Amino acid sequence: NAGVTQTPKFQVLKTGQSMTLQCAQDMNHNSMYWYRQDPGMGLRLIYYSASEGTTDKGEVPNGYNVSRLNKREFSLRLESAAPSQTSVYFCASSEGRNNEQFFGPGTRLTVL
Amino acid sequence: QQQVKQSPQSLIVQKGGISIINCAYENTAFDYFPWYQQFPGKGPALLIAIRPDVSEKKEGRFTISFNKSAKQFSLHIMDSQPGDSATYFCAARSGGADGLTFGKGTHLIIQP
Repeated sequence: NAGVTQTPKFQVLKTGQSMTLQCAQDMNHNSMYWYRQDPGMGLRLIYYSASEGTTDKGEVPNGYNVSRLNKREFSLRLESAAPSQTSVYFCASSEGRNNEQFFGPGTRLTVL
Repeated sequence: QQQVKQSPQSLIVQKGGISIINCAYENTAFDYFPWYQQFPGKGPALLIAIRPDVSEKKEGRFTISFNKSAKQFSLHIMDSQPGDSATYFCAARSGGADGLTFGKGTHLIIQP
């Protein structure tokens, strides 16, 4: 099992460009999450999907959109990237909200 | 508003010593308190977790102490080893919400 996979690993964007971060899990988990990690800030929840077909905002959703494509895949889209979105993005999944969250390896995004 | 406060920000411990990291929270709705370990370039991985109905949980060299009345919990690493050098995050989850609220992290260095 690969667990949680994320693509790309690294990305550099110019201000105003758009991109989609991809996440997939092969553990048949119901819940999936997107976090961002900034130096000295810990991880902050952007969006989550409690089950296929549902998505909800987390602590810092502004500037992002998400799509739960199917049970395996949960994507994060930046429509118009800003330098403040420079961060490391982590996707996670869990069997349910009461279960351990498994994290992917992250995507390091730089917006110039 | 920082809901989970973690200290210290960085910690240096001699090999064989005890590493102690502390966290405090305000939200009494939190009902699950995990600790995550993160190595450079990797995603966080669950180390140990506790629920507020117990005051202590031990797994190998890692122990969580939980003080519900003081709204504090701590991670103790006994017989610390150089391989324990990593960033550690405490987190909490509210009974009525999905996703985790993280502390800002502690960079732990174990000196040989």
